[in-house]
Amino acid sequence: NAGVTQTPKFQVLKTGQSMTLQCAQDMNHEYMSWYRQDPGMGLRLIHYSVGAGITDQGEVPNGYNVSRSTTEDFPLRLLSAAPSQTSVYFCASSYSRGGSHNEQFFGPGTRLTVL
Amino acid sequence: ILNVEQSPQSLHVQEGDSTNFTCSFPSSNFYALHWYRWETAKSPEALFVMTLNGDEKKKGRISATLNTKEGYSYLYIKGSQPEDSATYLCARGGRGGGADGLTFGKGTHLIIQP
Repeated sequence: NAGVTQTPKFQVLKTGQSMTLQCAQDMNHEYMSWYRQDPGMGLRLIHYSVGAGITDQGEVPNGYNVSRSTTEDFPLRLLSAAPSQTSVYFCASSYSRGGSHNEQFFGPGTRLTVL
Repeated sequence: ILNVEQSPQSLHVQEGDSTNFTCSFPSSNFYALHWYRWETAKSPEALFVMTLNGDEKKKGRISATLNTKEGYSYLYIKGSQPEDSATYLCARGGRGGGADGLTFGKGTHLIIQP
């Protein structure tokens, strides 16, 4: 199993550009989520999904969109990038819809810089 | 927003010594407490998930305890080794299962000095 994969590993954007961060898992996990990691802050939840076709907002959803058309994939879209979105982004998945009851498996992260 | 606090923020320990650190969290509507180990340039990896008051879990030289009534968890490392150097994250899950995701603390950065 590849586990949780993320692409790209690094990305530099200009303010106003849009892009999609890709996340895929091959463990048949129902629950997937996106976090951002900023210096001096804990991991903060952006969006999550409890299954294909179901998504919801986390703590810091503004400026991001998600969709979940398949169990395997959970892309994160930046609609109009801003310097405040410079961060490291982690995708995570876990076995069941009770996401907080099961350990989360994290991807390797995407380091995004917005100029 | 539910605050999860970890202390200390960083810790230097001599190789061979034992150490422990704390995670504090709101005890209301508690569902689960997670501990993750995060090495530099890698992804966080789960150590423990605990749900019941009084839970104790152990993995090798690392163990954890949980007090849901007073809202704290301790992580213990016995006989620290250089490979234990990492940031240790705790995260609280709220009721509603995955609906609320996890709220993470800022972590304890542990450095083991040879």
